[in-house]
Amino acid sequence: AQSVTQLDSHVSVSEGTPVLLRCNYSSSYSPSLFWYVQHPNKGLQLLLKYTSAATLVKGINGFEAEFKKSETSFHLTKPSAHMSDAAEYFCVVSETGGFKTIFGAGTRLFVKA
Amino acid sequence: DAEITQSPRHKITETGRQVTLACHQTWNHNNMFWYRQDLGHGLRLIHYSYGVQDTNKGEVSDGYSVSRSNTEDLPLTLESAASSQTSVYFCASSTVTGELFFGEGSRLTVL
Repeated sequence: AQSVTQLDSHVSVSEGTPVLLRCNYSSSYSPSLFWYVQHPNKGLQLLLKYTSAATLVKGINGFEAEFKKSETSFHLTKPSAHMSDAAEYFCVVSETGGFKTIFGAGTRLFVKA
Repeated sequence: DAEITQSPRHKITETGRQVTLACHQTWNHNNMFWYRQDLGHGLRLIHYSYGVQDTNKGEVSDGYSVSRSNTEDLPLTLESAASSQTSVYFCASSTVTGELFFGEGSRLTVL
């Protein structure tokens, strides 16, 4: 069975400092892994995806994530936070074919000036 | 550009009324989904479809129905709206690798 655990419900950083949002997953298959961002009153938008190619995945807006099979982790990072990064972030695991998708509970990122 | 649109974006209705939320996508995706998002519950799957004439129940399907008569549209119907169905509803479509494309959401209030 698949599952996704986002280890922090809230993360607060200062502008210009690094961001780390943690995600662990469990899957019986070779999963596809995604990070989505949701700004207030908006739909979810894809940040990046891992689909069994390179383990270090680069996404939009300077975000990247590393797939670590041995640790079953897919943590999201960004070297320098910007005020516009304040949003909710969802880690998602999906079986090949997109037929079963599991969402993490979300991590709300606060960015202080 | 391809997109997925939901309407209405905001709706207020009364308990017991039938409500239909529209979802239209121009990605030509076979897979379409309806989710509801509530504080403390995250995103929960209501119904999904893998193609025309195919519909399936998700984890919170009671009180909801969908139909899929073409590739582009998956309307969500609340047969008899209840206050517990006050929520934000998101429609999405996906590629075969599971990448989801979301609409902007429909905020429904049931009084």
